[in-house]
Amino acid sequence: QSALTQPASVSGSPGQSITISCTGTNSDVGAYNYVSWHQQHPGKVPKVMIYDVSNRPSGVSNRFSGSKSGNTASLTISGLQAEDEADYYCSSYTRSSTWVFGGGTKLTVL
Amino acid sequence: QVQLQESGPGLVKPSETLSLTCTVSGGSVSSGSYYWSWIRQPPGKGLEWIGYIYYSGSTSYNPSLKSRVTISVDTSKNQFSLKLSSVTAADTAVYYCARLFCSRTSCFYGIWGQGTMVTVSS
Repeated sequence: QSALTQPASVSGSPGQSITISCTGTNSDVGAYNYVSWHQQHPGKVPKVMIYDVSNRPSGVSNRFSGSKSGNTASLTISGLQAEDEADYYCSSYTRSSTWVFGGGTKLTVL
Repeated sequence: QVQLQESGPGLVKPSETLSLTCTVSGGSVSSGSYYWSWIRQPPGKGLEWIGYIYYSGSTSYNPSLKSRVTISVDTSKNQFSLKLSSVTAADTAVYYCARLFCSRTSCFYGIWGQGTMVTVSS
């Protein structure tokens, strides 16, 4: 299975909005609504920010939102804050009953 | 509050077998709807899914690792384990255990262990 495709890096200024894309195939992202987004700060454990395409766990800021169209899922962060600077990984369940992660996107808050 | 904790050798020799255990506290590995997983992250790189096991013993593995991976569960000890055979330097990574929750309408990794660094070197 191939990793989901994410941009290597994105950046934005405080207060702005950014969107990170995650492109898969009709065997993973396009097949199920089981797409998650994890945030990982350097040296820290990944933390789920969005699950099932667009759901936010309790305690996650509503500045984080998710969506999906076809084989591409997206994570949008609005009102960027310095603390949002981190690596972001998408993941998806697949038709083979496995999971696959994206390559990760480094978000820089300028 | 469910917590996961990885344990095992931090250094493994090339061609040998990497063995890690994840101890679950605050919950039971025998609980339905949960799949007990291993995920790894090489230094400076992204996350790679290794596989999962259900308490019944059913498993799913990453096709690229399938020939070398075995995940098992010990319900009496509330633990699950990873064995990766014939390791090389490419297997050097932080290994995380994680809990996958799946229902008819939802499926996601909600809880992760702190991770343990395993280096493959002679």
